[in-house]
Amino acid sequence: NAGVTQTPKFRILKIGQSMTLQCAQDMNHNYMYWYRQDPGMGLKLIYYSVGAGITDKGEVPNGYNVSRSTTEDFPLRLELAAPSQTSVYFCASRAAEGPLWEQYFGPGTRLTVT
Amino acid sequence: GDSVTQMEGPVTLSEEAFLTINCTYTATGYPSLFWYVQYPGEGLQLLLKATKADDKGSNKGFEATYRKETTSFHLEKGSVQVSDSAVYFCALIRHSGYALNFGKGTSLLVTP
Repeated sequence: NAGVTQTPKFRILKIGQSMTLQCAQDMNHNYMYWYRQDPGMGLKLIYYSVGAGITDKGEVPNGYNVSRSTTEDFPLRLELAAPSQTSVYFCASRAAEGPLWEQYFGPGTRLTVT
Repeated sequence: GDSVTQMEGPVTLSEEAFLTINCTYTATGYPSLFWYVQYPGEGLQLLLKATKADDKGSNKGFEATYRKETTSFHLEKGSVQVSDSAVYFCALIRHSGYALNFGKGTSLLVTP
């Protein structure tokens, strides 16, 4: 049982490049979340999903896209990377019947855009 | 809007010292309050929680009491260990909310 896995761990992008941050969970959780943590700041919710095929915006969705074709995977897409997207990205999941705070987090992806 | 304010880090303590990490919040109504911990190289994990005023959450020797009158949820531990070195996040959620609201995190380093 790997829990929540994220790849890559680190990435450096040039301005304007695109990339996809991968997130997978093996706990059969319906709910999945993407957060970003800017230096010296708390985590902010980017997007979340309540199940395959259903996604919704969080607090800071601009510049990102998501899809949820399977229960296990919830990739985050950056289309035109900007320096403001330099951050640490965390993916999380939880069971539908569990409380909102019982989220399981991945180890994060550290992204630098230069 | 809702917000969580934590004391600035890093906090450096010697082993067996007493730990306090301050957390105050602003929220409409009566939120639930949480402390998460992130050990090096790992994801965040829930450390403890309190869902109503005067509740005390506790886990692994850590405690925090939900103080409505001071809108605070300070994290304490009587005797820290090197293995407690981590980043600690205070967070809240309103009962009608759909997302956690996190503080900036406080880095703790415990030296032998």
